[in-house]
Amino acid sequence: AQSVTQPDIHITVSEGASLELRCNYSYGATPYLFWYVQSPGQGLQLLLKYFSGDTLVQGIKGFEAEFKRSQSSFNLRKPSVHWSDAAEYFCAVGRSGGGADGLTFGKGTHLIIQP
Amino acid sequence: NAGVTQTPKFRVLKTGQSMTLLCAQDMNHEYMYWYRQDPGMGLRLIHYSVGEGTTAKGEVPDGYNVSRLKKQNFLLGLESAAPSQTSVYFCASSYSLDRKHSNQPQHFGDGTRLSIL
Repeated sequence: AQSVTQPDIHITVSEGASLELRCNYSYGATPYLFWYVQSPGQGLQLLLKYFSGDTLVQGIKGFEAEFKRSQSSFNLRKPSVHWSDAAEYFCAVGRSGGGADGLTFGKGTHLIIQP
Repeated sequence: NAGVTQTPKFRVLKTGQSMTLLCAQDMNHEYMYWYRQDPGMGLRLIHYSVGEGTTAKGEVPDGYNVSRLKKQNFLLGLESAAPSQTSVYFCASSYSLDRKHSNQPQHFGDGTRLSIL
């Protein structure tokens, strides 16, 4: 069965510093991978997705992620964080192929931004 | 431009009561989903539907029932609420995975916060 691991429950970064959030997945075939962000009391907003092709994916709000099949990873990066980036971040994989039968989520990483 | 709308946004129930959560989407999506979110657990899939009149179980279906009588609506029912069902419930929808829509992601509602006393 597919699974997603986000090793870091909390991460604290200074404003203006670079960010990398880790995500490892387990899936037999080529995965469909997603990163979502959730602000307190809000729903989930899609940051970016990987289906196929170029392994470096650009998303909204200056985020990017790189798919590395050999490491089963899909880490999220941002070169310079802003205080407004403080939120919960979720990595997800399609339960089968493109996710027609839903997504499997990691447990999330809580991002704290220090002034 | 509503997207995915969940009703109600908040609800408090007593153990044993029943209720229905409504999800409505105006994007003509084929697929719809119900997830629950608990602290430290991420989101877990309860049930899903790949089209009008069809439903299927997800990871944590026990204690819930669903119906998809109309394409735009997906209802989640709790027949006899239990404190373990206290959670935030999210509905999502997406297009089918034909070639035209194969790269379309899921769209989420803003959630329903449900407390069972």
